[in-house]
This record gives sequence, C-alpha cells and structure tokens, in this order.
Amino acid sequence: GAGVSQSPSNKVTEKGKDVELRCDPISGHTALYWYRQSLGQGLEFLIYFQGNSAPDKSGLPSDRFSAERTGGSVSTLTIQRTQQEDSAVYLCASSSRAQETQYFGPGTRLLVL
Amino acid sequence: AQTVTQSQPEMSVQEAETVTLSCTYDTSENNYYLFWYKQPPSRQMILVIRQEAYKQQNATENRFSVNFQKAAKSFSLKISDSQLGDTAMYFCAFMKPFGGWGKLQFGAGTQVVVTP
Repeated sequence: GAGVSQSPSNKVTEKGKDVELRCDPISGHTALYWYRQSLGQGLEFLIYFQGNSAPDKSGLPSDRFSAERTGGSVSTLTIQRTQQEDSAVYLCASSSRAQETQYFGPGTRLLVL
Repeated sequence: AQTVTQSQPEMSVQEAETVTLSCTYDTSENNYYLFWYKQPPSRQMILVIRQEAYKQQNATENRFSVNFQKAAKSFSLKISDSQLGDTAMYFCAFMKPFGGWGKLQFGAGTQVVVTP
C-alpha cells in the first residue's frame, strides 16, 4: 500500500490478557517507530527500529511491552498481561531513514477493561 | 532533554480567517528539526510542515507557514484562509536527528476548531 497501515483498528481486551498490534510500514522505509497516545501522558515514544534491530527501546514503559520487526518490514508490538493503564492509541510511523520525516499510520485504539 | 510546550489548549477561528498556534521548545542542540502535525478526528497524524534549524528561511506549505525564531526557541504555525477541513488537533514536534535516533518529542497539542 501507499501508506502505513495498522491492525486492528480497535481492540477491546480484558485485564490480564495479551495483545498484539501490527504495523505495516511504507515499502522501502528502513526506520520504524512506535508511539503511544494517551489522555494523561500525551504522545510518547516507545521504540525505534532500524531494519530488524531496535537500537532504542528507551520508551517501553515496562517489561510487559515488547516489539519485533521481521524482514525489515512488518512490526508487532506485544503487550502481555494488559492493565487498564495500557488503554491508549498506539501509533506506528515509518521513515526512509532515521533523520527523515515520519509518516504515521491510523493507529490502534486499545481499551483494557 | 528536550521539552516542547504548546500553551494554547484550544483555538477557535472562523472560515477564511487566520489563526496562529504557538510552540516553544527547550534544547541545547544546534542542529535539529521541527514539525507541525495535524490529527483530525480520523486519528491519522498528517505532516503539515517541516523546518530544519540550520535554515533561516521560514518554511511554507500552501496556506500553512511557520515563524521560526531560533534564538527565542519559538516555532509558531500560521493557518491562513482557514477551512472547515482544518479542524484538528495540531502537534508541534522536535527531532534531534543525530544521536536521538530520529524520535519525535511532541507538545501537548492545540485543538483548532474552524467555524462557518
């Protein structure tokens, strides 16, 4: 596709369950970012991928959060044992390289009950 | 660490009028990039404009222009001839291109409402 895509668009889960969020970056973009947007914290950086490696994981809030990227393309953000404070919109962005403009996907709205 | 401040939570403007959104930032870096993104109700973050700190000329993109004051660490966005489709949340963002992995640091956002 022409833009960044994310799935699912919305996810409702019960506290304690694991969730996986997917991001398909723009074809050829080597840099991929995950951000979280919540009412209390605004927009926060979570993790950065260059190719398949993640040189910056500094924004992951706890060890319940992990992410991987395979084939230098699709990325999955996994949240284990979800908590209510994990409820937020999770945004993915990609760029041709780290210093270039980032293009965002439509986000996944996660609601933990 | 860098901080980005948007002091206007909400701005209202009539169609065809002009509105200016403020953004200030704090950094010790000399080279960096600044951005304005808009987020309409659809949730999609859309790039509005980008400014490189080493460029003295203010960036423009159609009806959108910035006033970049490097010494004052100010980066305001002017929307001219406002249209109903400009209704959105607008975020100012800072990027340290080297050593920061290009991650964006965002302000809290300004909600712009364009009224008929």
